[in-house]
Order: sequence, then C-alpha cells, then structure tokens
Amino acid sequence: GENVEQHPSTLSVQEGDSAVIKCTYSDSASNYFPWYKQELGKGPQLIIDIRSNVGEKKDQRIAVTLNKTAKHFSLHITETQPEDSAVYFCAASSNDYKLSFGAGTTVTVRA
Amino acid sequence: ETGVTQTPRHLVMGMTNKKSLKCEQHLGHNAMYWYKQSAKKPLELMFVYSLEERVENNSVPSRFSPECPNSSHLFLHLHTLQPEDSALYLCASSQEAVGTGANVLTFGAGSRLTVL
Repeated sequence: GENVEQHPSTLSVQEGDSAVIKCTYSDSASNYFPWYKQELGKGPQLIIDIRSNVGEKKDQRIAVTLNKTAKHFSLHITETQPEDSAVYFCAASSNDYKLSFGAGTTVTVRA
Repeated sequence: ETGVTQTPRHLVMGMTNKKSLKCEQHLGHNAMYWYKQSAKKPLELMFVYSLEERVENNSVPSRFSPECPNSSHLFLHLHTLQPEDSALYLCASSQEAVGTGANVLTFGAGSRLTVL
C-alpha cells in the first residue's frame, strides 16, 4: 500500500518568515495530494490540494508543488502569521477515497 | 448546527464497558468515515460508508463496530477495548459517494477516548 513520509515533524519559524513542509510517497499511481491543517481542539481542514497533472498550485500565502518523477510534494507558507500555528498533514491517494496521511508537522510561528 | 458534529467530545471507559461514539453531518454528503488519530502517527482509516453501505473495513478489530443508519448519522460502538485503543477518533464526510471521484473530507472535532 501507499506510504507517505512527512518532514520535519516540528517546525518553528519567526513571524513573517516562510515555512516549508516536505512529503514523499511510494505509490507511483497516486494522483491526488491534499494538505490538511489541524488547529488545537479541532478536526483537520483541507487548505489546498493538487492533482498529478499540475506541478504547482497557489492560494494566497500557501502553495503546493509536486514532483511526480521524484515522488515528492511540498507545502510552502509565506509571510507566516500566528494563526498559521497548527499541525499540518499531507496525504496521497490513487483512488477516490483512500487517503494515506503523513504523520504531521507541528508548526509554531513565533511572534 | 452546521458541518460535522461528534459526541461525546471526551470519553473515559474501562476495558469491560460498552460505549458508543456518535457522528452527525449536516452537509448532505453521501460518504462518511471513521479515522483513528494517535499522537505522532498518521491518521488511520478505519471504516468507510458510501450511501449507507460499508465499503471499507481496514482490518479493524471486532471490538470496534460501526453503524450507519442513514446518510447523516454514523456510530462507532465500542466494547472490551484495550488501553492501546486510547486515541482521538475522527469522523469525516465527503460530498460524493465512493467511486465517483476524489473526495474532499470534512472532519468533525473528534472524540477523545481514554481506556483505563
């Protein structure tokens, strides 16, 4: 089955700096790559996703890049703000419902 | 109420108890899911229901028993659990039924289970 590895497990950044989280996947058939954000006491919430026919996608301060050849994808957060502090999960899927998640990255934005 | 609602938010039970977790979605979605979240581990898919029919049972022990009486409600019945079952149990729903395309999951806030 699919194996998704996520790095780093924790990330501390100064407010205003950028944060980058990287994930690798094992199944070359994977074609859908979402990112979820989980704030304290809440469930994960989709923040951005990308499909295998696209190399990059951007939504305001967040962007995701995908390298299918290397089987890795990354989340980029620019101009970080305190409300970006959360746990971020990457995921990959080769079918329509069975997402394989990474172990999560705890991001702390220092004021 | 909107979104996905889970009750109770916290549950403490002994190994011989029987309890249930409840999930309700107010989004008109066709698929519902149970995930287990343990610290520093990936979310583990447990069960998937599509149009009230179970389509996935991800090798989950029989001490966990799901029930989906209609497309808006999902239960997880618990009995003779082990301490290692202590975790956050997340319910999610998605718009489309399984087999119709990539699904965006809407998660509830979870039920924090502690097994003594």
